[in-house]
Amino acid sequence: DIQMTQSPSYVSASVGDRVTITCRASQGIGSWLAWYQQKPGKAPKLLIYAASSLQTAVPSRFSGSGSGTDFTLTITGLQPEDFATYYCQQADSFPVTFGQGTRLEIK
Amino acid sequence: QVQLQESGPGLVKPSETLSLTCTVSGGSISSYFWNWIRQPPGKGLEWIGYVYYSGSTTYNPSLKSRVTISVDTSRNQFSLKLISVTAADTAVYYCARAGMVRGLDYFDYWGQGTLVTVSS
Repeated sequence: DIQMTQSPSYVSASVGDRVTITCRASQGIGSWLAWYQQKPGKAPKLLIYAASSLQTAVPSRFSGSGSGTDFTLTITGLQPEDFATYYCQQADSFPVTFGQGTRLEIK
Repeated sequence: QVQLQESGPGLVKPSETLSLTCTVSGGSISSYFWNWIRQPPGKGLEWIGYVYYSGSTTYNPSLKSRVTISVDTSRNQFSLKLISVTAADTAVYYCARAGMVRGLDYFDYWGQGTLVTVSS
């Protein structure tokens, strides 16, 4: 299985800040990576797919980059509704695997 | 707008079978890959497997011996069965849609999730 490791596991930030979350794959996955946002008691929501493509209706303050084994999710100009847990997911090979999550909290 | 809704018992006894159904509305179940994903309380996401509308399946090897996913296109539903459950199978179970072309893909529509507790 491909292991997905996110860092940090927890980040504290303020409204208006720029935050970067990293996801590292245990082997190369090309650009087969997605990012999801999950709020408490809710299903994950797809934000970014194919490493850098913005899902329909997702605000442009979210962006993704990377390829191979190292990927980043950047949120520029944090809004109150962005405080949530973020997961990366690889779609390069079975079984599909997710990172352990990064919890973004208000400072 | 595609919507997915999980249904099934919220409590299952150890060693018994967990059975859930996902009903798809607002779109056809045809031409997509339909997935089950679970999340133990306070933990991360685990992909269980998918069924294509044709009936072909792929499962996570960690669960393969216990899982069956099936589809009923006439009802726009797909289902999960997990046998011989233990407390470790306690989780929120989500159904989710992936792409049209390859089974390995991203999940663009999700159900709200249903908590299944394994306990006597």
